[in-house]
Amino acid sequence: DAKTTQPTSMDCAEGRAANLPCNHSTISGNEYVYWYRQIHSQGPQYIIHGLKNNETNEMASLIITEDRKSSTLILPHATLRDTAVYYCIVRVNGNAGKSTFGDGTTLTVKP
Amino acid sequence: DAGVIQSPRHEVTEMGQEVTLRCKPISGHNSLFWYRQTMMRGLELLIYFNNNVPIDDSGMPEDRFSAKMPNASFSTLKIQPSEPRDSAVYFCASSFREPRETQYFGPGTRLLVL
Repeated sequence: DAKTTQPTSMDCAEGRAANLPCNHSTISGNEYVYWYRQIHSQGPQYIIHGLKNNETNEMASLIITEDRKSSTLILPHATLRDTAVYYCIVRVNGNAGKSTFGDGTTLTVKP
Repeated sequence: DAGVIQSPRHEVTEMGQEVTLRCKPISGHNSLFWYRQTMMRGLELLIYFNNNVPIDDSGMPEDRFSAKMPNASFSTLKIQPSEPRDSAVYFCASSFREPRETQYFGPGTRLLVL
């Protein structure tokens, strides 16, 4: 599975949009981009995933570049409860056992 | 659905003792994963099952660790004998394999080996 690169940490003001980038320049055509987050002391939580089209759900939006080498997770109106570690993972469906979570981005939402 | 259920939530034991962690996956899910998380190593996959069969246990640290899935609704991770370096949070996750493999994680078991 392709390796991902994420910034170590980011800050965001409460109520503003949080844009979390992820680079996956070696992604292959059948690999999906998944985003999870882990709030302190809890298990990781699925947020969203996509293949090549932009995706939106009740939690976030996922923007994937046309060449699929990078993506951005957008939390449109960040709240203090969005403070967490955000993981970007790329993998083929059916291959969750072959992908790693990496170090992720620690997002801190500030009042 | 109650989500993935893990027990116990906290475990404190002494070095050399046997530790058994339990997991009940979400009903209908056919893949189950055991992870370990520490500050030093982050979130590591230990082993995963598909349709109750272990697919890859290459992440299991050593022979002291073993995992079983006797049926679709139950799995155990056993450490025997336990050592202080096994102290970590152990997460169980489950998913469908197709059409999308979204993993749902349990709350974790916090293990402290003294």
